[in-house]
Amino acid sequence: GPKVLQIPSHQIIDMGQMVTLNCDPVSNHLYFYWYKQILGQQMEFLVNFYNGKVMEKSKLFKDQFSVERPDGSYFTLKIQPTALEDSAVYFCASSLGRTGNQDTQYFGPGTRLLVL
Amino acid sequence: QQQVRQSPQSLTVWEGETAILNCSYEDSTFDYFPWYWQFPRESPALLIAIRPVSNKKEDGRFTIFFNKREKKLSLHITDSQPGDSATYFCAASASSGSWQLIFGSGTQLTVMP
Repeated sequence: GPKVLQIPSHQIIDMGQMVTLNCDPVSNHLYFYWYKQILGQQMEFLVNFYNGKVMEKSKLFKDQFSVERPDGSYFTLKIQPTALEDSAVYFCASSLGRTGNQDTQYFGPGTRLLVL
Repeated sequence: QQQVRQSPQSLTVWEGETAILNCSYEDSTFDYFPWYWQFPRESPALLIAIRPVSNKKEDGRFTIFFNKREKKLSLHITDSQPGDSATYFCAASASSGSWQLIFGSGTQLTVMP
């Protein structure tokens, strides 16, 4: 099936540093998402991005978070500065559309972020 | 308040048995219910999904039963195999509303050989 790639697979940083998580979505997809999963819990929605804009964000998407996809390159999640509670696995997802059979979200393998 | 609830939290069945995983939801505007499975340290992958136009969706050994009135659905895995051992997440979304998938807390299924 369609593949979403994420780089890096693991990241360890010190609290207060900046981190950028990269996502290479499915090539013809238009909608991009970030989810956060703390070990052993369900995935929780962070943000949705379409046509260069944030369309919706949850309360977990703190002011220290930002997303962008400059010129069709990686879809990125930046956290600046990081906090201990940001330690989690971050999943990127993409979908072709929002309705009908185009709204299936395909997930990447995740980036495991550890903030020390 | 959890909008999507799953039970049981964990389930163990023997190979060849039918595993039944339950899901319920709060929001009556939800109209898309995908089930994802996730193996340890891997990405969640879409297993099967249903839309409320039907009350049953079948794909091989996997069947979703949907009860719109009670806002409940269940995933039945017949002839369970050890390779089915994974965490199963029920999710929901509303095509006319929010952009996000709301996930349940998952059911960890173990199929014993």
